Amino acid sequence: QVQLQESGPGLVKPSGTLSLTCAVSGGSISSSNWWSWVRQPPGKGLEWIGEIYHSGSTNYNPSLKSRVTISVDKSKNQFSLKLSSVTAADTAVYYCARETAAGTVLAFDIWGQGTMVTVSS
Amino acid sequence: QSVLTQPPSVSGAPGQRVTISCTGSSSNIGAGYDVHWYQQLPGTAPKLLIYGNSNRPSGVPDRFSGSKSGTSASLAITGLQAEDEADYYCQSYDSSLVFGGGTKLTVL
Repeated sequence: QVQLQESGPGLVKPSGTLSLTCAVSGGSISSSNWWSWVRQPPGKGLEWIGEIYHSGSTNYNPSLKSRVTISVDKSKNQFSLKLSSVTAADTAVYYCARETAAGTVLAFDIWGQGTMVTVSS
Repeated sequence: QSVLTQPPSVSGAPGQRVTISCTGSSSNIGAGYDVHWYQQLPGTAPKLLIYGNSNRPSGVPDRFSGSKSGTSASLAITGLQAEDEADYYCQSYDSSLVFGGGTKLTVL
């Protein structure tokens, strides 16, 4: 059973870079799946950040594209998120998730437990 | 402001049937893109509830059903139970993956 676990600093200073890693266990990151980051500000809804395939191909949310970098490390079976120039608006629970084929749109079938990141000085 | 519009809240008494709508447009649902639904219990990660408009993953009770028509989709929950109290999100595609704003279901 594939499991995902997010890790990284829980506090980031304004204008800094948020860095998180998602470790994949129970399966290979080189499977035929895309891997995503999704965030949820306190009391608000879900926002897709971006995705990566094991080949290194990426797609990003247009609203965040200029600040987001997602990378994959196949040797460690993990993928990572970097979000630059953060502000208080980036304070959120960050989830990593696996996407699976589900018709014409990929669905998120496995989620990590989420990690809270606060942007504050 | 999401391109997929959901009602902020719905409610129902135990045993009743409730529906949650997800209204899109010709650039997303109306363009033929499928809709998925997620259930998020308080303090937990979202869980895939319905995929491909109307399919249930293994383990999801048949009290949950989904449908899609035109530029909208709906999630129906029958035989409402207290444990169904949660936030529900629709998800589709509109130049990128998108979620609806979410609907809070209250079981009265």
